[in-house]
Amino acid sequence: EDQVTQSPEALRLQEGESSSLNCSYTVSGLRGLFWYRQDPGKGPEFLFTLYSAGEEKEKERLKATLTKKESFLHITAPKPEDSATYLCAVRDTNAGKSTFGDGTTLTVKP
Amino acid sequence: DGGITQSPKYLFRKEGQNVTLSCEQNLNHDAMYWYRQDPGQGLRLIYYSQIVNDFQKGDIAEGYSVSREKKESFPLTVTSAQKNPTAFYLCASSISAAYGYTFGSGTRLTVV
Repeated sequence: EDQVTQSPEALRLQEGESSSLNCSYTVSGLRGLFWYRQDPGKGPEFLFTLYSAGEEKEKERLKATLTKKESFLHITAPKPEDSATYLCAVRDTNAGKSTFGDGTTLTVKP
Repeated sequence: DGGITQSPKYLFRKEGQNVTLSCEQNLNHDAMYWYRQDPGQGLRLIYYSQIVNDFQKGDIAEGYSVSREKKESFPLTVTSAQKNPTAFYLCASSISAAYGYTFGSGTRLTVV
């Protein structure tokens, strides 16, 4: 059974204080690993797809990396508008759907 | 603009009632999904459909039903058999298994 564990559950940062979110996963064969951003009361917004170990993707202050067992979402010099819940999901090569982690809620204080 | 439309945004259900949540997409995506999200938790899969007239149960299908008569539409019915239906329901679609999902804005269902 596919499993996704995200840590920490919550993270509070000062504006400009860089940090990383972790996503550990277990799948029989990885078809893709996905990161989403979710604002309160809204649907998740797609950020990145990573397909193989060593791959990296960047978007503004966010950078996602992938190893064979985990993925990191690095946030460089965050701003208050980066405050949200970040969700990680994996797609098994034999599955027609993604399995989600419980998310990390990021709060960035000015 | 292409996207997914969920309606209504808020829905109230009385005990013993069936209610139907609408999900429509104009992205020409083959696959569609229904997830449930409870406060402070991740997304749990209810049902998914990879092609028209075919769908599969997810991890928490009991008390729910779906249909996929058209590519664009994937309505979810919450039946009276679902004992704890109060939650945030999210519909999503994807063009293929290798791509991420596009989500709707969600329907918040409350039992009154």
